[in-house]
Amino acid sequence: AQSVTQLDSHVSVSEGTPVLLRCNYSSSYSPSLFWYVQHPNKGLQLLLKYTSAATLVKGINGFEAEFKKSETSFHLTKPSAHMSDAAEYFCVVTRVKTGGSYIPTFGRGTSLIVHP
Amino acid sequence: EAQVTQNPRYLITVTGKKLTVTCSQNMNHEYMSWYRQDPGLGLRQIYYSMNVEVTDKGDVPEGYKVSRKEKRNFPLILESPSPNQTSLYFCASSPSQPGGLIAKNIQYFGAGTRLSVL
Repeated sequence: AQSVTQLDSHVSVSEGTPVLLRCNYSSSYSPSLFWYVQHPNKGLQLLLKYTSAATLVKGINGFEAEFKKSETSFHLTKPSAHMSDAAEYFCVVTRVKTGGSYIPTFGRGTSLIVHP
Repeated sequence: EAQVTQNPRYLITVTGKKLTVTCSQNMNHEYMSWYRQDPGLGLRQIYYSMNVEVTDKGDVPEGYKVSRKEKRNFPLILESPSPNQTSLYFCASSPSQPGGLIAKNIQYFGAGTRLSVL
């Protein structure tokens, strides 16, 4: 079984301040972990992914995430928020079933609000 | 341009009237998937397809059907829609890798279809 918990449903920051979006996961397997972003009225877009290489993963638009196995966490950070970062963010854990099929589990999402 | 195209973007229908939401990708991806997004629940997988003529249930398949007759198309069919199927639906596709390591690939999402069943 696997699950994802995004610890905050909403995060509010001021422009230029750091961003932290928290994600904890549980998985019986070596997980692949992803962060996706969804801007209003748009589909989801990949920010970054962890697939058992470096534990610090850099993504697009200045975002990065650190995989911490001991804490089962994959928190998303950005040093300085921009107004265009305001969006919904989803943490995703996936595993491959016997036969190669693909089972993703999405967190419930964190809405990032950026104030001027 | 590489993309996943869903149609229609918006649909209002009535209970019991069969409908189909189309999904097409132009990236020659093997893996395609349908999700529904509901407030506070994130995305939940409805059905997925590993390749042509290979489909399987996701987490919430009840009330839905899919088909994969061609690699590029993966329509979602609601034979008898009900109000609890009012939701935002997303189609996604992924390439596969040698050894079937699909989970290590990113998904490319369509722009979504907002369905209201009255």
